[in-house]
Amino acid sequence: AQTVTQSQPEMSVQEAETVTLSCTYDTSESDYYLFWYKQPPSRQMILVIRQEAYKQQNATENRFSVNFQKAAKSFSLKISDSQLGDAAMYFCAYPGTASKLTFGTGTRLQVTL
Amino acid sequence: GAVVSQHPSWVICKSGTSVKIECRSLDFQATTMFWYRQFPKQSLMLMATSNEGSKATYEQGVEKDKFLINHASLTLSTLTVTSAHPEDSSFYICSATGQGPLAEQYFGPGTRLTVT
Repeated sequence: AQTVTQSQPEMSVQEAETVTLSCTYDTSESDYYLFWYKQPPSRQMILVIRQEAYKQQNATENRFSVNFQKAAKSFSLKISDSQLGDAAMYFCAYPGTASKLTFGTGTRLQVTL
Repeated sequence: GAVVSQHPSWVICKSGTSVKIECRSLDFQATTMFWYRQFPKQSLMLMATSNEGSKATYEQGVEKDKFLINHASLTLSTLTVTSAHPEDSSFYICSATGQGPLAEQYFGPGTRLTVT
């Protein structure tokens, strides 16, 4: 069974600074996707970024980028130029069989002035 | 982008009654819908997977007789919590996937269920 681990329950970053959220996963597959989701206080799940395992290039979406280390099964999210609106829960997720998502336990990100 | 709605957004019911939650894909046909449960300050836990026209597949530990799922059309899935008890109080989230090589999940806004 796939597992997803987020070892940072909470993180804090100052506005305009950069923060990195960690995620490790376990799978026996060689071709797969990985996702980072954001859940703001409204609790609406929002897809932040996705990475395709067969692509060596790390995915980037504006201020969000990932550091994907396939051999280490590590998938961290970097948020640059942090904004107050980035404050939320962030979940790393792995889609397994039949697209079932396995989520990590989440990291609560606080953004301070 | 693809939009998924849930109704109601918040429901309070008395212990022993049943409550139905609807999940609709508004602008696409959802071949598969998922139902999740999220307790406060916790992650999302998959409850079941439903495919249009077939029986839902429940995750281990989820009581299928308590959480009835119906996926009658390509745009609508319903979750009925039967004989609700206070411990069923939670946040229920649905998601839907369309077709394509990567069946990305689009999430509904969630339903907060409080059982008194």
